[in-house]
Amino acid sequence: KQEVTQIPAALSVPEGENLVLNCSFTDSAIYNLQWFRQDPGKGLTSLLLIQSSQREQTSGRLNASLDKSSGRSTLYIAASQPGDSATYLCAVSKLSFGAGTTVTVRA
Amino acid sequence: DAGVTQSPTHLIKTRGQQVTLRCSPKSGHDTVSWYQQALGQGPQFIFQYYEEEERQRGNFPDRFSGHQFPNYSSELNVNALLLGDSALYLCASSKEGRWTGYTFGSGTRLTVV
Repeated sequence: KQEVTQIPAALSVPEGENLVLNCSFTDSAIYNLQWFRQDPGKGLTSLLLIQSSQREQTSGRLNASLDKSSGRSTLYIAASQPGDSATYLCAVSKLSFGAGTTVTVRA
Repeated sequence: DAGVTQSPTHLIKTRGQQVTLRCSPKSGHDTVSWYQQALGQGPQFIFQYYEEEERQRGNFPDRFSGHQFPNYSSELNVNALLLGDSALYLCASSKEGRWTGYTFGSGTRLTVV
């Protein structure tokens, strides 16, 4: 069974600092990995999707890397803003989610 | 391009009752997955429907059942509600074949009292 771990569980940074969020998984035979953002009480918004054959994906200030051999993905958010405050979740293949990292960006 | 639509947005039920939640997938998607998200937790996979059949199921009791209709929309039914069933229920749609990721709805907040 695929186990997905996200560390840290919570993160608080001043505005402008770069964010680094980690996602670890136990089974390297994955199809893909998707990063989501969730605001309190809301659904999930897709941020980036990495296919298993890819090493990274970029969208604006966001960059996600994937290293299947080590079972890790990292989401980088450059020059954080207060609007980036949310919970970030990674989903591995089609079924396994981490518990998320809750980010607070202080103005 | 309509996204995933879930109804109702909020629901309060009494222990022992039954509830039905509904989901319309994103246009062009044919697969629907349901998740339960307790407060402070990541989403937990309940089951997935494709071609009107339950294709995969997570570790949930038989009280949780579902259905997919020919237009790809789906229902989640929960019988004999328990207090522990209180959660945000999320529906996600996707396209079988060329994987382009999940699209989630805003969820249904179920409170069991």
